[in-house]
Amino acid sequence: KAGVTQTPRYLIKTRGQQVTLSCSPISGHRSVSWYQQTPGQGLQFLFEYFSETQRNKGNFPGRFSGRQFSNSRSEMNVSTLELGDSALYLCASSLRTGENTEAFFGQGTRLTVV
Amino acid sequence: AQTVTQSQPEMSVQEAETVTLSCTYDTSESNYYLFWYKQPPSRQMILVIRQEAYKQQNATENRFSVNFQKAAKSFSLKISDSQLGDTAMYFCAFMKRGPNAGKSTFGDGTTLTVKP
Repeated sequence: KAGVTQTPRYLIKTRGQQVTLSCSPISGHRSVSWYQQTPGQGLQFLFEYFSETQRNKGNFPGRFSGRQFSNSRSEMNVSTLELGDSALYLCASSLRTGENTEAFFGQGTRLTVV
Repeated sequence: AQTVTQSQPEMSVQEAETVTLSCTYDTSESNYYLFWYKQPPSRQMILVIRQEAYKQQNATENRFSVNFQKAAKSFSLKISDSQLGDTAMYFCAFMKRGPNAGKSTFGDGTTLTVKP
């Protein structure tokens, strides 16, 4: 069974630009969560989508947005990039049914803003 | 809001020995999960072990076990017979249980180095 796939793996953008990151969950998983990982702030929760609906949201500015499609694939968008947005962005998928809460992570997208 | 604290930024252990990683958390929730994740240098995070707060018995997974002290809000990870492949960053995480659960709160991580 294929794991969680994040594309692209690496990205370099200029301040002020916008970027879209993609996450394809494990087949059958309906929940997709996004996290930002930086050396200074650690792992910070961005948002979670379940069946195309945003169910949870972290404390990030409105420049960070996401969506989920009917096939459970999710995209995350960051507009008006700032230098501080440089980070590893991790996506995790899970079944989220009953007690089945295990999250499977992708390898991440390394975003560098210059 | 929940907080998770890992007080040991770095630890090292000799191969085949035992090491314990500490984690404390703060929450007003009574129903939740606790996790330990491992992130090797290749970056992909994987689940090591999970504990349901309502279960008194400590979870074990092969060489990995936890010491869950609910009253003290402590959740430590013990790795027995450490192997070189255990070298990684380890994250303790909290997740509320319930229909809108799905947000995990992570600690800052502990970098574990297993020495030959």
